[in-house]
Amino acid sequence: KAGVTQTPRYLIKTRGQQVTLSCSPISGHRSVSWYQQTPGQGLQFLFEYFSETQRNKGNFPGRFSGRQFSNSRSEMNVSTLELGDSALYLCASSPDPGSNTGELFFGEGSRLTVL
Amino acid sequence: QKEVEQDPGPLSVPEGAIVSLNCTYSNSAFQYFMWYRQYSRKGPELLMYTYSSGNKEDGRFTAQVDKSSKYISLFIRDSQPSDSATYLCAMSVVRLQGAQKLVFGQGTRLTINP
Repeated sequence: KAGVTQTPRYLIKTRGQQVTLSCSPISGHRSVSWYQQTPGQGLQFLFEYFSETQRNKGNFPGRFSGRQFSNSRSEMNVSTLELGDSALYLCASSPDPGSNTGELFFGEGSRLTVL
Repeated sequence: QKEVEQDPGPLSVPEGAIVSLNCTYSNSAFQYFMWYRQYSRKGPELLMYTYSSGNKEDGRFTAQVDKSSKYISLFIRDSQPSDSATYLCAMSVVRLQGAQKLVFGQGTRLTINP
C-alpha cells in the first residue's frame, strides 16, 4: 500500500510569491492534516480536512489556506510568502473517524525555502 | 509558555543504555498521548500510543503517562544505533467527530553510539 505522497519535495521561492503544495493520502484515508515544522517552533498544526470540509484550523494567518478534493487529495497554499514561512510542510492522513488510535501517517514533507 | 514542553537535547548515549525521554504539558484536557519517531529527512511515524494514564509496553519501548503530574515518558531499553532519531511527544484532546489536532513537543534528538 503506497504511503502519503507529497509534491514537490523541495522548492525555493522569493518573498511575496505564492506556493501550492500537494498531498495524496493513503488509499482509503479520508482525513488529511497539514503541519508546519521549523527548528524553532517544532511541529505546528495548520488545518485538517475530512470529506472536502475543513474541520479544524490552527493559529496561522489567512495567507495559509487549503482544500481537499473528492478523491481525498489535498492542497495547501501560502500567499505573499515571508522569510519566516521557510519550513518543512508535512501532510498526514488517517483512516475514518472510527479509528481512535490518534495515528497519523505522515509523508516525507515539502521543504520550502523563502529567499 | 508552550502547551507541551520537551527538552530538545541533543541526547547521546552508548549502545545498550536505557534511554528516558520526557514531556510535560499544561492542558489538563489532553487524553491521548503519543510518541512519534522521525528519522532524518523523513516524516514522523507513530511509535507508541496511550489513552489517559498508565503504562504501555511494546518490545523495548515503554510509554508512561502521569496525568496528575502532567508528565509523560518514553523508555527505550537495550538501545540500538538504529534508534538514533528525533523523538516527538504528541497529545490531543478527546475528539469530536474524529477531528484530529495533535499538539507536538519540540522533539528530542537522540544518538545511540556503537
